[in-house]
Amino acid sequence: GDSVTQMEGPVTLSEEAFLTINCTYTATGYPSLFWYVQYPGEGLQLLLKATKADDKGSNKGFEATYRKETTSFHLEKGSVQVSDSAVYFCALIGGSEKLVFGKGTKLTVNP
Amino acid sequence: EADIYQTPRYLVIGTGKKITLECSQTMGHDKMYWYQQDPGMELHLIHYSYGVNSTEKGDLSSESTVSRIRTEHFPLTLESARPSHTSQYLCASSAKGNTIYFGEGSWLTVV
Repeated sequence: GDSVTQMEGPVTLSEEAFLTINCTYTATGYPSLFWYVQYPGEGLQLLLKATKADDKGSNKGFEATYRKETTSFHLEKGSVQVSDSAVYFCALIGGSEKLVFGKGTKLTVNP
Repeated sequence: EADIYQTPRYLVIGTGKKITLECSQTMGHDKMYWYQQDPGMELHLIHYSYGVNSTEKGDLSSESTVSRIRTEHFPLTLESARPSHTSQYLCASSAKGNTIYFGEGSWLTVV
């Protein structure tokens, strides 16, 4: 079945550092890919998405590119802020139309 | 912003009590979902619905039940709560083939 594997955390960075959180997937067909973010004590918010190969999703300085040849959707940000501290989930929707999540990566950004 | 609401946000109840977690969305979405999030952050689909009078069990077995009598409403019920039910419950909805939006979550503690 469909699955998502993402980099295990926790990840701790200093403010203004470069962020990469790796995400790879297994799915039949052409899934849509997502990154969700969960701030402490809150639900999940959609951060960005891409629905076909080579699409780049972007939001709030975060970017991810749908790479079909490597089945990847890595999340990047050039300069993280303390306010980016959260848990990040990579996810896909495939043929089953159910959202399949990775296990989440906790990011802590220190001033 | 997605218009999906969960109540209560936080609930502490005694073992054996019946509880219902409410979830409503005003976007007219056909699909609705309940996820359970464990302390290790991982998200598990426990119930979903593709429309009125349609409900299905998810990937993780749950003692809870759901109903979908109206498009906008998807409550989750535990007939007899136990400490093992302590968790965060996240409700979500989507239009066909589109992004899934989440509510802010309900934190349940059973003592």
